[in-house]
Amino acid sequence: GQNIDQPTEMTATEGAIVQINCTYQTSGFNGLFWYQQHAGEAPTFLSYNVLDGLEEKGRFSSFLSRSKGYSYLLLKELQMKDSASYLCAVRSDRGSTLGRLYFGRGTQLTVWP
Amino acid sequence: GAVVSQHPSWVICKSGTSVKIECRSLDFQATTMFWYRQFPKQSLMLMATSNEGSKATYEQGVEKDKFLINHASLTLSTLTVTSAHPEDSSFYICSARGTGQTEAFFGQGTRLTVV
Repeated sequence: GQNIDQPTEMTATEGAIVQINCTYQTSGFNGLFWYQQHAGEAPTFLSYNVLDGLEEKGRFSSFLSRSKGYSYLLLKELQMKDSASYLCAVRSDRGSTLGRLYFGRGTQLTVWP
Repeated sequence: GAVVSQHPSWVICKSGTSVKIECRSLDFQATTMFWYRQFPKQSLMLMATSNEGSKATYEQGVEKDKFLINHASLTLSTLTVTSAHPEDSSFYICSARGTGQTEAFFGQGTRLTVV
C-alpha cells in the first residue's frame, strides 16, 4: 500500500524559516510533489522532485532522499499569506493507474505576525 | 501555463437530484483526468481516473453508479453525482494531465452542498 506521513500542524512567525517534513512508503515511486492549498481552494503546485537532492525556487525549496523515503519543503522569509495547508503527494507508476498521486493529510501552517 | 477550468464553483441541490460537474483543459489535451473528493481538514481522496475514450477506473469503495464519470473528449471530463444525499456534500476537485506532462493541473474545485 501507500503510506504518506506529514505533521498535522505547524506554526511560525513572519520572516522565519520553516521546514515541513514528509515520509513515504510507496511502490512504483516516480516523483514527489508539494502543493499549497488555501481553505476552500484547489491545490496549487509548488515543487517536484524525482531525483535526490534539493530543488530551489525563490523562497521555497524542496529536498528528496529516495533511499530514506523522505522529503521536506523549506519556506524562507515567511509571510502572512503563506498560512495554508501544504500537501505532500507521491506519484506511483505501478498498478492499474499509472501516474496517480497519493496525498498526505496536509500540514496546516499558521504564520503569526 | 496549463489551465484547467472546473464548473460550477459551488452548487446547492436538493436531496435526490443529480448534479453535473465539468472539468475542461483549456490549452492542452488532457489524456488523463483525476477526480478527487476532499472533506474539511482532510486530504484529497482519489475517486476515479479517466482516460479519454475509455471507462473510468474507480477507487475501492467509490460507487460507479452513483458517481458517473465521462471523458468523451481530450478537453472535457464530467462527474455526475446521481441521487445526491447530504453525505455527498463535499469539495470535489479535478486534475488533468496531458501526454508527456509530469504535473497534473488542478481545476478550481466545486463545493457541493446537498440539502
